[in-house]
Amino acid sequence: QVQLVESGGGVVQPGRSLRLSCAASGFTFSNYDVHWVRQAPGKGLEWVAVISYDGSNKYSADSVKGRFTISRDNSKNTLYLQMNSLRAEDTAVYYCAREVRNCSSTRCYPQYFDLWGRGTLVTVSS
Amino acid sequence: EIVLTQSPGTLSLSPGERATLSCRASQSVSSTYLAWYQQKPGQAPRLLIYGASNRATGTPDRFSGSGSGTDFTLIISRVEPEDFAVYYCQQYGRTFGQGTKLEIK
Repeated sequence: QVQLVESGGGVVQPGRSLRLSCAASGFTFSNYDVHWVRQAPGKGLEWVAVISYDGSNKYSADSVKGRFTISRDNSKNTLYLQMNSLRAEDTAVYYCAREVRNCSSTRCYPQYFDLWGRGTLVTVSS
Repeated sequence: EIVLTQSPGTLSLSPGERATLSCRASQSVSSTYLAWYQQKPGQAPRLLIYGASNRATGTPDRFSGSGSGTDFTLIISRVEPEDFAVYYCQQYGRTFGQGTKLEIK
């Protein structure tokens, strides 16, 4: 079954760390760029970070830059998000998502997300 | 950074009515890279439309997308009870609009 399954969420105090995981199955994980997207309670979707299929390129939103690190282990078909110096405003459901790219003769651009996990809730509170 | 603004924020309709949702970009976006998602309470978003007008696998044909440049539209020709949800547009696999909530009138 083609799926993404997040884990690792929970309640954490401000300033502490947490690592999220996203396990992929049913497809060739190493062929895809993958993203983290979050959604604060009652709010919209916010893109967090992306990592290329081979882990060589990573980008993150300004709101998490310097605090969150995205990584992957293709041998384990798993995506990670290391979250340090957590703040109350990081409270959200965190989703992983698989990217589909559109490629021309010269380069590729991210086009859309065709597969999402069900999310894991992170609550930052004292 | 391109900002996507969706309108209206909330759309109240009865089943069977036509829904028109707008997504406006702060600068021109290639239609190839404009996508729409549907999200129901407690669920992950689901891809509806990609490339501004292409229905994803499993998207009913009552959903249609159109637009170019800075103005994009998602239309539901006749709203079904299962369509009441929040809809997001997205550009270049990154920025999302703030969402339009389609609610039962």
